[in-house]
Amino acid sequence: GESVGLHLPTLSVQEGDNSIINCAYSNSASDYFIWYKQESGKGPQFIIDIRSNMDKRQGQRVTVLLNKTVKHLSLQIAATQPGDSAVYFCAELATSRSQGNLIFGKGTKLSVKP
Amino acid sequence: DAGVTQSPTHLIKTRGQQVTLRCSPKSGHDTVSWYQQALGQGPQFIFQYYEEEERQRGNFPDRFSGHQFPNYSSELNVNALLLGDSALYLCASGRGANYGYTFGSGTRLTVV
Repeated sequence: GESVGLHLPTLSVQEGDNSIINCAYSNSASDYFIWYKQESGKGPQFIIDIRSNMDKRQGQRVTVLLNKTVKHLSLQIAATQPGDSAVYFCAELATSRSQGNLIFGKGTKLSVKP
Repeated sequence: DAGVTQSPTHLIKTRGQQVTLRCSPKSGHDTVSWYQQALGQGPQFIFQYYEEEERQRGNFPDRFSGHQFPNYSSELNVNALLLGDSALYLCASGRGANYGYTFGSGTRLTVV
């Protein structure tokens, strides 16, 4: 499977700027996608999800975009804050195949400079 | 309302030993999935339990086994520990057989 070892892709932004984190998913049968935030020493925390019949979904300060043609997801964070600093993972699920296991992407480390 | 709780939070074991990790799902959830997360990587699916049966399994050896109890709590057992088993072990719970996406904080296992 995929692995970047200890060298996670890193995105460094200034506080108040917008952040965009990208993810390529692997399974064309996946029809449900989730973004997770993971802080050091903690488990993944649900941020936002989207189903494959949508191409955009908005939450509070976050937006997820889905492009099924190129199997690409993005997470946009508006007005990024220091508390947003964490590792962000996308995860995919093929619900139509009763696939219960989430497949996680490689993760991106977001660093917010005050 | 408690979320997913895992115990212990940390433990250190010696190579060749056996370990049992525990998980209590979020209230109202009946499905438990276990994931292994090595340092710097995304979680990898181990297996999922629903209605006290293993429903799906990832690419992990038989040294990894589990159990789900009538109250929906679950255990993950790992036998003959290897140094490479050192990781954060995450439990996720959900409702029904197709989902498991509320995670606990994990158990940090170190094998020496």
